[in-house]
Amino acid sequence: AQTVTQSQPEMSVQEAETVTLSCTYDTSESDYYLFWYKQPPSRQMILVIRQEAYKQQNATENRFSVNFQKAAKSFSLKISDSQLGDAAMYFCAYRSGGANSKLTFGKGITLSVRP
Amino acid sequence: KAGVTQTPRYLIKTRGQQVTLSCSPISGHRSVSWYQQTPGQGLQFLFEYFSETQRNKGNFPGRFSGRQFSNSRSEMNVSTLELGDSALYLCASSFGGGAPSGNEQFFGPGTRLTVL
Repeated sequence: AQTVTQSQPEMSVQEAETVTLSCTYDTSESDYYLFWYKQPPSRQMILVIRQEAYKQQNATENRFSVNFQKAAKSFSLKISDSQLGDAAMYFCAYRSGGANSKLTFGKGITLSVRP
Repeated sequence: KAGVTQTPRYLIKTRGQQVTLSCSPISGHRSVSWYQQTPGQGLQFLFEYFSETQRNKGNFPGRFSGRQFSNSRSEMNVSTLELGDSALYLCASSFGGGAPSGNEQFFGPGTRLTVL
């Protein structure tokens, strides 16, 4: 079974600084997708960034980028120029490529941003 | 475009009762997934429906069931409630077609269920 591990339960970053959130996963599949979701205190979860396993290029969305190391099964999220609105719980998630697969989440990490 | 809506937002039930939660997906989305979120277990997948058919199911007892209607709206039902069923239940919709695994899932605000 696929597993997603987020070993850091909490992190803190100074406003305008850069922070990296770690995630590792375990799978024997070659076709899969990785996601980072953000859940602010209001609870509505939103997608931050997505990475297709077959793409070697790391995904980037504005201030958010990933470091995808396929061989190491590592998928970290880098947030640059951190803003107060980035404070939230962040979940790393995995889904294999089959149509009948399910989205598997890590335990999440709570990110706080210091003004 | 309206987002995913879930009703009710809050619910208090007692052990042994049953409950039905509703989810209306984004217009045009045909896939609806349900998740249970608790502090201890995190986010756990319950089931996914696509075009009125259950496409996948998580490791939950048979007390948890769901269905999807022809308009893509979905309901989940929990029978014989237990204290451990207290959780935030999240619904997510996605387009569902093409390569569904890569589709972004759009989440609703959730239903907070408290079992006393």
